[in-house]
Amino acid sequence: VQLVESGGGLVQPGGSLRLSCAASGFTFSSYAMSWVRQAPGKGLEWVSAISGSGGSTYYGDSVKGRYIISRDNSKNTLDLQMNSLRAEDTAVYFCARDLDAATVNWSFDLWGRGTLVTVSS
Amino acid sequence: EIVLTQSPATLSLSPGERATLSCRASQSVSTYLAWYQQKPGQAPRLLIYDASNRATGIPARFSGSGSGTDFTLTISSLEPEDFAVYYCQQRNNWVTFGPGTKVDIK
Repeated sequence: VQLVESGGGLVQPGGSLRLSCAASGFTFSSYAMSWVRQAPGKGLEWVSAISGSGGSTYYGDSVKGRYIISRDNSKNTLDLQMNSLRAEDTAVYFCARDLDAATVNWSFDLWGRGTLVTVSS
Repeated sequence: EIVLTQSPATLSLSPGERATLSCRASQSVSTYLAWYQQKPGQAPRLLIYDASNRATGIPARFSGSGSGTDFTLTISSLEPEDFAVYYCQQRNNWVTFGPGTKVDIK
């Protein structure tokens, strides 16, 4: 049972980046999934979530209108398309599984190791 | 937005001592509060959900209590592996995290 993020890197302000999270060992389509980020030396910030079916999506105010979350249940992957990136988006981005398979619970019982996104010129 | 405040910011204790961490919400979150442990370079680990329920595989020395706006995480007897940063998180109104409490070795 694991989550593995990829796609992080260095990007210029105003640029775009797409993160992916590969899930294995559980029935991916049964669980809502989230992205949570952590700026260097700082605390945790919830970014976005998507229901198990992909039919419902949710965003934090700081990324609304710039980020798009999606999932492919046939490939067991979760994506985060990040546009119009700013310096303050610099962080480690974690994908996280919802605790409850039956509904969107918003507690997270399985986390990936994270991928670092650096926004700098 | 519901703001979570954690105290103290740092807690310096010795192995075997009892740790009491506090989380206060700016408005009621009912019992929709979780606690996570994070060690340097690692992902957070869910300890407690819905205020008082231990997550799978979490030792019994970890316990949570509270409701409304005031919550406590207690570690009954600190083990060497418990020295870490602890975050509370509410899910009553979207999701927010507290700033964390660092438990370090005295």
